[in-house]
Amino acid sequence: ETGVTQTPRHLVMGMTNKKSLKCEQHLGHNAMYWYKQSAKKPLELMFVYSLEERVENNSVPSRFSPECPNSSHLFLHLHTLQPEDSALYLCASSLEQGFNSPLHFGNGTRLTVT
Amino acid sequence: DQQVKQNSPSLSVQEGRISILNCDYTNSMFDYFLWYKKYPAEGPTFLISISSIKDKNEDGRFTVFLNKSAKHLSLHIVPSQPGDSAVYFCAASLTNSNYQLIWGAGTKLIIKP
Repeated sequence: ETGVTQTPRHLVMGMTNKKSLKCEQHLGHNAMYWYKQSAKKPLELMFVYSLEERVENNSVPSRFSPECPNSSHLFLHLHTLQPEDSALYLCASSLEQGFNSPLHFGNGTRLTVT
Repeated sequence: DQQVKQNSPSLSVQEGRISILNCDYTNSMFDYFLWYKKYPAEGPTFLISISSIKDKNEDGRFTVFLNKSAKHLSLHIVPSQPGDSAVYFCAASLTNSNYQLIWGAGTKLIIKP
């Protein structure tokens, strides 16, 4: 049990579909993150929320839309994706911003765009 | 251009021996460095960190060494155990902030029995 739960584990969607990824943390953390991991590439930070406010948005295309309704839940809404968006999407949380509070990751959603 | 590089995609080590994972970085302003470990079908988990004011940090079988002049970081695992087989990610940051981590692409460590 990682404390960070992501659903679904796998998702296949067409380029015209709309879907959402869900992340839930039961650790009482204040910050939540979305990361993208493409094959053999570094993790790319997409979005960071601290106390439900977005604090980082690393030039992510608008076809990815995050939502953080409360400090325990984070969503990533997807629409009109491209095949190159196929990747592992990881959610993480941390108690605070600093490194005395390391990231806790979920197991990821493997997304395939056809 | 990648600021944090892990040039070995994979490494195979005999059980009981030392595993040395390497990481190079280009930005001399990086102040904090971390290692995370990832098993298949799981998310990464934090392993060990070091700030630029130190050149070594040890936690049990894991030791991280920082050579600022060479812009080089290494993780030593002694002795290596089968459960250490995983992908290891190096990450760096300009500030003490999880919000600004720059990650390497990972090195897959295989411990042979």
